[in-house]
Amino acid sequence: KAGVTQTPRYLIKTRGQQVTLSCSPISGHRSVSWYQQTPGQGLQFLFEYFSETQRNKGNFPGRFSGRQFSNSRSEMNVSTLELGDSALYLCASSLGSTGYQETQYFGPGTRLLVL
Amino acid sequence: DQQVKQNSPSLSVQEGRISILNCDYTNSMFDYFLWYKKYPAEGPTFLISISSIKDKNEDGRFTVFLNKSAKHLSLHIVPSQPGDSAVYFCAARALNSGGSNYKLTFGKGTLLTVNP
Repeated sequence: KAGVTQTPRYLIKTRGQQVTLSCSPISGHRSVSWYQQTPGQGLQFLFEYFSETQRNKGNFPGRFSGRQFSNSRSEMNVSTLELGDSALYLCASSLGSTGYQETQYFGPGTRLLVL
Repeated sequence: DQQVKQNSPSLSVQEGRISILNCDYTNSMFDYFLWYKKYPAEGPTFLISISSIKDKNEDGRFTVFLNKSAKHLSLHIVPSQPGDSAVYFCAARALNSGGSNYKLTFGKGTLLTVNP
């Protein structure tokens, strides 16, 4: 089975712009979660989608949004980029329906640099 | 408020010896714990997990121990190999009544270096 894929792998934007990141989960997985990794804060949960619905949300401002499509692919959008948004954005997928003891598998991440 | 803490930012061990990585948590609602390994420029790779109903889970060279009363878990790697050199993250998940909580709370990681 192919793993979680994320595109693009690297991105450079300037302050004030907006960006869209994409994640394709493992085939058959319906839950997609997004995390932000920064040196100071570590890995922090952004949100989780299941069956095109946001099921859980972390403590990030409204500039961070996401969506999920019927094929379980997910996109994450950040509007009005700030320098502090520079980070590695990770996507993780799991089956999403068998209970909390499921393992989540991560993609390689998208490295975003905001100048 | 950091709910999952890995107090050692780094650990260095000799090849063939045991590596012990520690993790403490504060949220008593955490009921499922995972360890991930991460190489630079890659996403975290799942290693091993443990449910709170167990106190030990073993998979090859990796063993995770959970002490629920102390809110402490540890990952043992025996024997350690140079290829194990990476950042190790401890993560925890809290059960909610609907069983639909997939949010992972991570520690900040421990950099393990295994010297040949």
